[in-house]
Amino acid sequence: AQKITQTQPGMFVQEKEAVTLDCTYDTSDPSYGLFWYKQPSSGEMIFLIYQGSYDQQNATEGRYSLNFQKARKSANLVISASQLGDSAMYFCAMSFGRTGANNLFFGTGTRLTVIP
Amino acid sequence: ETGVTQSPTHLIKTRGQQVTLRCSSQSGHNTVSWYQQALGQGPQFIFQYYREEENGRGNFPPRFSGLQFPNYSSELNVNALELDDSALYLCASKPLDNTGELFFGEGSRLTVL
Repeated sequence: AQKITQTQPGMFVQEKEAVTLDCTYDTSDPSYGLFWYKQPSSGEMIFLIYQGSYDQQNATEGRYSLNFQKARKSANLVISASQLGDSAMYFCAMSFGRTGANNLFFGTGTRLTVIP
Repeated sequence: ETGVTQSPTHLIKTRGQQVTLRCSSQSGHNTVSWYQQALGQGPQFIFQYYREEENGRGNFPPRFSGLQFPNYSSELNVNALELDDSALYLCASKPLDNTGELFFGEGSRLTVL
């Protein structure tokens, strides 16, 4: 069975500092995708970054990078130079198979608070 | 701005009633999926539609049903509402050739009393 685990219910970070949000997963499927989404209080899920299981390089998107450690089955999100607008819920998610993100399995989320 | 809009944004129903939630996707997004997000939880996959047919379903009973229309709009219908159906319902869409992100709407928050 597939499973996504986020062990940090809440995290605090000082503005302009970097923060790492943890995510581990469990699957026997060799082909999968890993996603991070941000959910502000408005409710909309905002896509941040994607890593495919066969990708050799860690994904980066601006201030976001995904620390993909396949052997450890972890896909941590690193946010550099935190901003006040980064305060939100962050969800790690997983898709399976080569057809892409047709349906995602989400973790329980981490609430990030950026302190001025 | 994802181009996915949902309505209504908030609604209140009583147990046993029926509800219809609506979603409008971007042109060309022929795959749409619906998620239920209970308070304090991550979203859970309800089902997915492609070219107006359901082609994937999560662990939800048949009283959760949907429709997809040729104009890239879709509906989620829930019959015989239960208190545990209170949640944020999210619609997400993507074009068929996109193996990456899903585009989410802001959701419809349903409260069942």
